[in-house]
Amino acid sequence: DIQMTQSPSSLSASVGDRVTITCQASQDISNYLNWYQQKPGKAPKLLIYDASNLETGVPSRFSGSGSGTDFTFTISSLQPEDIATYYCQQYDNLPPEVTFGQGTRLEIK
Amino acid sequence: QVQLVQSGAEVKKPGASVKVSCKASGYTFTSYYMHWVRQAPGQGLEWMGIINPSGGSTSYAQKFQGRVTMTRDTSTSTVYMELSSLRSEDTAVYYCARGDVDTAMVFWYWGQGTLVTVSS
Repeated sequence: DIQMTQSPSSLSASVGDRVTITCQASQDISNYLNWYQQKPGKAPKLLIYDASNLETGVPSRFSGSGSGTDFTFTISSLQPEDIATYYCQQYDNLPPEVTFGQGTRLEIK
Repeated sequence: QVQLVQSGAEVKKPGASVKVSCKASGYTFTSYYMHWVRQAPGQGLEWMGIINPSGGSTSYAQKFQGRVTMTRDTSTSTVYMELSSLRSEDTAVYYCARGDVDTAMVFWYWGQGTLVTVSS
């Protein structure tokens, strides 16, 4: 099974800051990496799919990059509404397999 | 618009089974894979498995093999997840999540979640 190491586990930043979260896979996963945002009491929401593609309607301050084993999620200018927990997710199609990172709790300083 | 509406909260005793439903609307039910993901209180997300609503084929995460069964009813556009031999560690919110035609393993849409509490 592929393991995902997400860091940091928590992060405190100020409004307007650039925020970066990383995910490392235990083996090459190409670009099969997605990012989700989850607010308390809500279902996760897809932000980025296949490492770098922005889901429709998601603000452009969110971005993703990487391939192989190392991936990065960035918020270019943190907004108060971005307070949430963020998860990376790797997948394989054959056979179906999904692993989530441990999550990053983002707070406003 | 795509909607996934799940059944209500459940309280079960250890050793019992629970069956959670997820009713889909706003799209062709048989054209898109459905997943189940769970989240224990204060913890991260955990994938349980996938079902193809067209033929009913399934694939389960190894951790849940032998304890989980995913089924579907095409007449009501509903998928089900049944988890047996419940233990306290199965207390969690259970989500259904839908993939897309070309990106079946991307969770584009989510249900609202169903809290399952296992307690004696």
